[in-house]
Amino acid sequence: DTGVSQNPRHKITKRGQNVTFRCDPISEHNRLYWYRQTLGQGPEFLTYFQNEAQLEKSRLLSDRFSAERPKGSFSTLEIQRTEQGDSAMYLCASSFQGNTEAFFGQGTRLTVV
Amino acid sequence: KQEVTQIPAALSVPEGENLVLNCSFTDSAIYNLQWFRQDPGKGLTSLLLIQSSQREQTSGRLNASLDKSSGRSTLYIAASQPGDSATYLCAHRLGDTGFQKLVFGTGTRLLVSP
Repeated sequence: DTGVSQNPRHKITKRGQNVTFRCDPISEHNRLYWYRQTLGQGPEFLTYFQNEAQLEKSRLLSDRFSAERPKGSFSTLEIQRTEQGDSAMYLCASSFQGNTEAFFGQGTRLTVV
Repeated sequence: KQEVTQIPAALSVPEGENLVLNCSFTDSAIYNLQWFRQDPGKGLTSLLLIQSSQREQTSGRLNASLDKSSGRSTLYIAASQPGDSATYLCAHRLGDTGFQKLVFGTGTRLLVSP
């Protein structure tokens, strides 16, 4: 296992289109997190899964955003009707427990034009 | 409001210098604190994790300390190298034994010149 994997690495989309990102966590990790990072800022928490259950969502996650982790393994983050303000780096992380070291993927850079 | 502040925002040093990056947080009830490195356009690489019961952690040329009472953590980099150039982020973990999210600072951009 080589760590947390995110696909695609880069995505350019037109405003109004839907996009979906995928995250494959480290295999034995049951916690999975999504964060969003804009230029010059630290990552901000979006949502969190324990196994397949989505247990927490930030107010940053508008109703255009949806995340799933159907079998407690990989996760997808979908953004509907994208807006220019959605342009950011979307980071996925996983950990074995909630209080242990979190490992991040390389991120998906979204550009909405 | 949970806040994490990192000072300085940017730092430029010649190769070989020892340096200290600072991280302060407003909530002393942290569970642990983690330091990350981020290269431009990349994800985060975990450097060190300090539990709230610990005072410091070391990995190679890196040493991180934690003082919960004053709400501060420092990352010490010894004998800096050009390959250390990156943005360094600290993040603390709040919460009880249930859900715990990471709250990040805005980072310190480090440039080490050869």
